[in-house]
Order: sequence, then C-alpha cells, then structure tokens
Amino acid sequence: GAVVSQHPSWVICKSGTSVKIECRSLDFQATTMFWYRQFPKQSLMLMATSNEGSKATYEQGVEKDKFLINHASLTLSTLTVTSAHPEDSSFYICSAKGTGNTEAFFGQGTRLTVV
Amino acid sequence: GDSVTQMEGPVTLSEEAFLTINCTYTATGYPSLFWYVQYPGEGLQLLLKATKADDKGSNKGFEATYRKETTSFHLEKGSVQVSDSAVYFCALSLNAGGTSYGKLTFGQGTILTVHP
Repeated sequence: GAVVSQHPSWVICKSGTSVKIECRSLDFQATTMFWYRQFPKQSLMLMATSNEGSKATYEQGVEKDKFLINHASLTLSTLTVTSAHPEDSSFYICSAKGTGNTEAFFGQGTRLTVV
Repeated sequence: GDSVTQMEGPVTLSEEAFLTINCTYTATGYPSLFWYVQYPGEGLQLLLKATKADDKGSNKGFEATYRKETTSFHLEKGSVQVSDSAVYFCALSLNAGGTSYGKLTFGQGTILTVHP
C-alpha cells in the first residue's frame, strides 16, 4: 500500500506556543488529506479535509483560526496548533488520498502534550 | 448524526482463541463499513471493508459481515496469534458514489492483546 509519513510522532510544548505537524505522502500524490483528532478513550474525530491548493474545509465545532491547515503541495499537508493549551493535548492523525486511490492511507499519528 | 460504537477494551486472549469485537453503527444513509488496525508505532491500515448489506469483508483470517437489520459489523477471527495484538477501529463512510472512502467516522478503538 501507499506510505504516509507523519512527523513528529510525539511533541511536548508549553502553553501558548504553536506546534506544526507534517503529513507527507511518500510514494503518491495526495490530492486530498484528512486530519483527525482522538481524545483518550474516545473516537477519532475528523477535524478538516484539505484539497491541494485550496482552503481546508473544517468540521463543525473545529476552530479554523486555531488549527491552521496548509496543503500547498501534492505530497505535504501541515497542521499548526496555534497558541496551544492543555485541552489541545490529544492524538492527531492524518490520512491522504490520491485520485487513483479508493481509500485514504494513514500516517502514524502525533501525540501532542501541552504543559 | 452518524456514529460508530465498539465494544470497550482492552481485550486479552490466549493464542488460538476465538475473537469477536462488536461494532454497531448509526447512519442516516447507506454507509460503507470498515475495520482498521493499528499496530504499535504504525499508522492505521485498512483491514477489511463491506460496501452493502450482507457483504462479508475478509482479510488475514479476519471476517466481518454487514448486517443492516442489526446495524452491526462485528469483527471475528477463529484463531488469533500474538502478532494480531493491535488496536482495532470500526468505521463508516457515507461518501456518495461508493468508490471514495476518505471521510470516515470512527469508533473509539479496541485494544487487543494476545498472549502466547
């Protein structure tokens, strides 16, 4: 299957700082990328969908000014958590889909802890 | 709204035991259903899927049947191995057209540990 690499795997940051998470498709062109978040003992929740070269579409209740998503190329999307607070601590995971794929392929996820 | 409910874990089994992980869903339309697996340190991988009622998805000895009447998609395996230890996620997709499964609604995941 296709490979999606997410970086970093885990990050600890201070409250008030910003954190950037990268999602790369290594062997295919990702026309669409999806960002999910998972709180402990809860489901993965879709945060936003991004298409290359377009603004991301955010799910209801997700603050677009806090979770900045950029999908500037066919192999890279980034999620920036701005002015992070402890309640943003979560597991963030991306998936990527190309035009020739019927399914999206997932990255390894990023564990964010805000202290 | 659409939702997926999985049995709570963790599930601990001995090698060669029978596995069932229950999954039920609520959806406004006719979803496609999936099981994903996440091995330690890796991303989610699609394990199997079913796109319409009574379809059976199967892969690596795992099976799940799409039951519309009970809105269920339970995962089963007849004889688990230590290498099956992972987190299993049930999910649904309501993408129109039935050929594009990017936007998913997930269950909370079930941790499976298999002992030798």
